[in-house]
Amino acid sequence: NAGVTQTPKFQVLKTGQSMTLQCAQDMNHEYMSWYRQDPGMGLRLIHYSVGAGITDQGEVPNGYNVSRSTTEDFPLRLLSAAPSQTSVYFCASGGRGNQPQHFGDGTRLSIL
Amino acid sequence: GNSVTQMEGPVTLSEEAFLTINCTYTATGYPSLFWYVQYPGEGLQLLLKATKADDKGSNKGFEATYRKETTSFHLEKGSVQVSDSAVYFCSFGNEKLTFGTGTRLTIIP
Repeated sequence: NAGVTQTPKFQVLKTGQSMTLQCAQDMNHEYMSWYRQDPGMGLRLIHYSVGAGITDQGEVPNGYNVSRSTTEDFPLRLLSAAPSQTSVYFCASGGRGNQPQHFGDGTRLSIL
Repeated sequence: GNSVTQMEGPVTLSEEAFLTINCTYTATGYPSLFWYVQYPGEGLQLLLKATKADDKGSNKGFEATYRKETTSFHLEKGSVQVSDSAVYFCSFGNEKLTFGTGTRLTIIP
């Protein structure tokens, strides 16, 4: 059971570089989302998608882009990395309504 | 706005002690409530959930009751084990989740 797969697990970038964090799910979930986890702040929603071709902003969307061309994949793009984007990023997927979300193992990203 | 206030940690207990982690929320309507657990180096896993007032979620000896009157969802376990050491997150929402800051729990033998 793959569930939600995130790659890479670790990445170090320099300020101004671009990068795409990959997320794939094999559970045919409509809903997918990206969170960032920072010390003392819990998880905060960056972007989410309710289905292929549909995305929307969460609580902290600035500096990030997403797209949803297929049900399975939901990549997160950093166009010009900044030190403030140093964080652990989690992708999640789930059914609609009150269904629990399934999380990937995270990507630890450091921006120098 | 929406928010979750969660008991700050870290919390350190001896094995077989009673555990309570407090959680209160501010939300419009009556969202589903969740406790997620994060073991070292891993993502979040659903521990338990409750979808309406007075529902009790339970799993692995943990329990939490959806209290609409006090907007609370406190996590309890009668006898903790070393394997329960993890970070616990209270959250609510339908699809889009609002999280508390997490409580790091360490159980010592």
